[in-house]
Amino acid sequence: EAGVVQSPRYKIIEKKQPVAFWCNPISGHNTLYWYRQNLGQGPELLIRYENEEAVDDSQLPKDRFSAERLKGVDSTLKIQPAELGDSAVYLCASKSGTGVTGELFFGEGSRLTVL
Amino acid sequence: GENVEQHPSTLSVQEGDSAVIKCTYSDSASNYFPWYKQELGKGPQLIIDIRSNVGEKKDQRIAVTLNKTAKHFSLHITETQPEDSAVYFCAASLGDYKLSFGAGTTVTVRA
Repeated sequence: EAGVVQSPRYKIIEKKQPVAFWCNPISGHNTLYWYRQNLGQGPELLIRYENEEAVDDSQLPKDRFSAERLKGVDSTLKIQPAELGDSAVYLCASKSGTGVTGELFFGEGSRLTVL
Repeated sequence: GENVEQHPSTLSVQEGDSAVIKCTYSDSASNYFPWYKQELGKGPQLIIDIRSNVGEKKDQRIAVTLNKTAKHFSLHITETQPEDSAVYFCAASLGDYKLSFGAGTTVTVRA
């Protein structure tokens, strides 16, 4: 069975440019997360979806970040405009069922470098 | 929100020796404590977890202990092997929806 698929794996952009990341979760997983991982740090939650509903977006900087999960499957995370401090790895994770207990399956991440 | 502190930040052990990583959490209401292993260029992968109604859990060479009174939990890896080299993250959940991760421990197993 395929794992969580993310693209692109790497992205280098100039500051003020837009960027988008795509995530395809494991089939049947109705909960999807976007995390940001800064260098040398643990993942920090940006947004959590249950099916197509964003149930926790309190950590998402809404002035420049947006996310969507159409039809409760794939998800896209967008940053517009990007700032130097947005350089990080953006991780997507999914799990079956709701709630946080139980295994989160992470993708390999999208590494963003903002110049 | 929940604050998770993890120590040490780096750990170097001789192959065959044990490795211990310790984490503390701030909110006594936290009830779920997973550990994730992250290899270079990969996403984190769950290796073991424990719930607040259990004091210890073992899975082959890996064990986790939880002290609710002191609000700390630890990961123990025995008989370390080169493939154990990775970054390990502890995490704690407050309620049933938000997982807070520690900053990670880079473990290096020397052959």
